[in-house]
Amino acid sequence: DTAVSQTPKYLVTQMGNDKSIKCEQNLGHDTMYWYKQDSKKFLKIMFSYNNKELIINETVPNRFSPKSPDKAHLNLHINSLELGDSAVYFCASSQEELAGGPGYNEQFFGPGTRLTVL
Amino acid sequence: KNQVEQSPQSLIILEGKNCTLQCNYTVSPFSNLRWYKQDTGRGPVSLTIMTFSENTKSNGRYTATLDADTKQSSLHITASQLSDSASYICVVMWDSNYQLIWGAGTKLIIKP
Repeated sequence: DTAVSQTPKYLVTQMGNDKSIKCEQNLGHDTMYWYKQDSKKFLKIMFSYNNKELIINETVPNRFSPKSPDKAHLNLHINSLELGDSAVYFCASSQEELAGGPGYNEQFFGPGTRLTVL
Repeated sequence: KNQVEQSPQSLIILEGKNCTLQCNYTVSPFSNLRWYKQDTGRGPVSLTIMTFSENTKSNGRYTATLDADTKQSSLHITASQLSDSASYICVVMWDSNYQLIWGAGTKLIIKP
């Protein structure tokens, strides 16, 4: 299946731990994203990344860092987890080359990772 | 402040009925407006994308309208089905930095 996949689907961990969420897309897209969906259901962009540029939402703490081993993967590393990090994290991808700019084209989302920090 | 507000917050209708969801936004300058469907426990799925020059766009039983002058959009669902039960999210692209501004969504429940 062509899709955006994330692992794990659920992640429960203690405060202070370091964890990673993996994302892979086999759509051949050039841009990938990480979003956080809080309890109020708003999705907030955390990062967008293509092979040229990483765009960081300035409100994201530097405990969060994206790592892209190749064009099809964008993993999210979180250090020193805090209670407020509990949320659902979505990975997405889109094809932005030749579009008007990043985010112009349709974004395809993964199933989400529900992170619970105890 | 760039905001996207949706109404109603939740809606329950009977299977087979039509419904219309509303979206008002204050995002400026605005580039495009999207409607997404998000099933419980899943990621959002794009329904329509409209630029400021488009007034209406359809995707099957879903029809989105856009009035860029009044900064309003609506999503009309015709002949609703049980599988339409989901959250419907309006998203506006802020042209200044291509940021997508997300609404909180309307939770739609279709009852048999």
